[in-house]
Amino acid sequence: EDQVTQSPEALRLQEGESSSLNCSYTVSGLRGLFWYRQDPGKGPEFLFTLYSAGEEKEKERLKATLTKKESFLHITAPKPEDSATYLCAVQEGSNTGKLIFGQGTTLQVKP
Amino acid sequence: DTEVTQTPKHLVMGMTNKKSLKCEQHMGHRAMYWYKQKAKKPPELMFVYSYEKLSINESVPSRFSPECPNSSLLNLHLHALQPEDSALYLCASSQDWTGGKNEQFFGPGTRLTVL
Repeated sequence: EDQVTQSPEALRLQEGESSSLNCSYTVSGLRGLFWYRQDPGKGPEFLFTLYSAGEEKEKERLKATLTKKESFLHITAPKPEDSATYLCAVQEGSNTGKLIFGQGTTLQVKP
Repeated sequence: DTEVTQTPKHLVMGMTNKKSLKCEQHMGHRAMYWYKQKAKKPPELMFVYSYEKLSINESVPSRFSPECPNSSLLNLHLHALQPEDSALYLCASSQDWTGGKNEQFFGPGTRLTVL
């Protein structure tokens, strides 16, 4: 069964304290892995797409990486405005467009 | 323009009411989606439209009725809802998944409360 697991469930950091979020997946034929940021009461905001193992993408303080089994979202020197829930989703091999979401990691960055 | 718009932002309805949620995108995307999201849970797929045709219905109760009038618009018609249907309803669009480009862009959502 296709599955996406994110860890930790919640993460508290001090401003400037770098860390990583994990997204592990088991799918039959990965067609893409997606990272989203979601603020409370709002729709998810697209961050990155990764397609193949070894691929990396960066945006400001965020860097996403992909292996054959998992993806990491590295946050360097976070600021309070980085506080949000980060969602990982994968598109599996069947040609349906359906995404499988993880449960998310809620990040709180304290000043 | 990477914007998906949704109206209304908030909706309160009784169990006997009929209402509709609207979604619009002008990115030329050919796939559009409806999701339901409960508090502290990830989005849950309801329907997928591809080239204005319904391609996925995730066994959603018939009190939810989707409609895609054209490639830019997506509606969700609501009738005889239950209090447990209260949630954030999200619309999303993507270019197309057949070519591997399935970055889905989400709207801000409609917060629905069923009394």
